[in-house]
Amino acid sequence: ETGVTQSPTHLIKTRGQQVTLRCSSQSGHNTVSWYQQALGQGPQFIFQYYREEENGRGNFPPRFSGLQFPNYSSELNVNALELDDSALYLCASSFKLSGEVHEQFFGPGTRLTVL
Amino acid sequence: GQQVMQIPQYQHVQEGEDFTTYCNSSTTLSNIQWYKQRPGGHPVFLIQLVKSGEVKKQKRLTFQFGEAKKNSSLHITATQTTDVGTYFCAGPMGYKFYFGSGTKLNVKP
Repeated sequence: ETGVTQSPTHLIKTRGQQVTLRCSSQSGHNTVSWYQQALGQGPQFIFQYYREEENGRGNFPPRFSGLQFPNYSSELNVNALELDDSALYLCASSFKLSGEVHEQFFGPGTRLTVL
Repeated sequence: GQQVMQIPQYQHVQEGEDFTTYCNSSTTLSNIQWYKQRPGGHPVFLIQLVKSGEVKKQKRLTFQFGEAKKNSSLHITATQTTDVGTYFCAGPMGYKFYFGSGTKLNVKP
């Protein structure tokens, strides 16, 4: 177990709705990254939060937004859901110091289905 | 376009055979990481390579980072059924982090 938890584990929404996914990072970690993994694909980087600020964003539209809290937990919000948003959403926590990249510890993911 | 490519996409081997997956980046990477994802699971960190030409071993797994820091490989000697899963390479490009498409390994007992 990595110590990274995500909630909920599964979620079903309809097109146009909004969703909030949550992640608790591992103790001592200050960075959270969010990924979207479609079936049979590699994780796609959505964005990263470091010390409560967005610190890097992948090719995702603005309707994907996030937050990081003082305790380094994080939320991913997706507005105006589309069918293609159906995927496994992974949160990964890590410790970043002076820009160095360290190993990422992934949570179990949230399986989102958009109908 | 795809920033990090991996080949092959799938590999089926008999238990005891060797396995290699290759990773190529469109740009030079400061470091590269390898992850394993079991079916139905989440990616689990295996190793990070930082130096040009670096080679690291973990029991039956050998990881290499190319001299130009644009390619990497993972070699498994004498595969076991516990090696089943998808192996991903991943690396940072600026403030983004790119995963390869993965190589799915199936091991027949």
